[in-house]
Amino acid sequence: DIQMTQSPSSLSASVGDRVTITCRASQSIGTYLNWYQVKPGKAPKLLIYSASSLQSGVSSRFSGSGSGTDFTLTVSSLQPEDFATYYCHQSSETHSFGQGTKLEIK
Amino acid sequence: EVQLVESGGGLVQPGGSLRLSCAVSGFTVESTYVSWVRQAPGKGLEWVSVIYRDGSPYFADSVKGRFTISRDNAKNMVFLQMNSLRVEDTAVYYCAREVPVDGYFDSWGQGTLVTVSS
Repeated sequence: DIQMTQSPSSLSASVGDRVTITCRASQSIGTYLNWYQVKPGKAPKLLIYSASSLQSGVSSRFSGSGSGTDFTLTVSSLQPEDFATYYCHQSSETHSFGQGTKLEIK
Repeated sequence: EVQLVESGGGLVQPGGSLRLSCAVSGFTVESTYVSWVRQAPGKGLEWVSVIYRDGSPYFADSVKGRFTISRDNAKNMVFLQMNSLRVEDTAVYYCAREVPVDGYFDSWGQGTLVTVSS
């Protein structure tokens, strides 16, 4: 099974900050890496698919990069609505998720 | 507009059964893959099962042999039958549209809570 390791597990930041979340796969997954935003009581939201493609309707503040085993999600200028938990997800071999990164307001 | 709506969650005793439903609009269930993903309280996301376009299923090891997945093309619905439930199956269960080949989940429901407790 492919293990996904996200860091950090939590992050405090301010509105306007630039933040980066990293995700590492236990083996190469090419670009089969996706990112989701999860808020309590709401449907998870796809942000980035195939490592770097921005999902339709998602703010261009979000960007993704990487290939192989190392990936990043960057939010260029945090807005109040961005405070949530973020998960990476590999879809190279079945599915597995990172443990999540909780982004909190400083 | 794509929409997925889960129902059927509730409180069940260990060893019991529950059937979750996912009502879909905006696409047909036989045209793509539909997966179930769960989130236990305070924990991360865990993929559970998928039904492919040809109707064949696939399961996570944690539920294999206990859960089944099916669909009703006429009603445009997908079902997750959960048997021999364990305390560790307690979670919010989401259904999600899975994009074939690339495997990402581009639309999700809001989830239904399953609580397994005596």
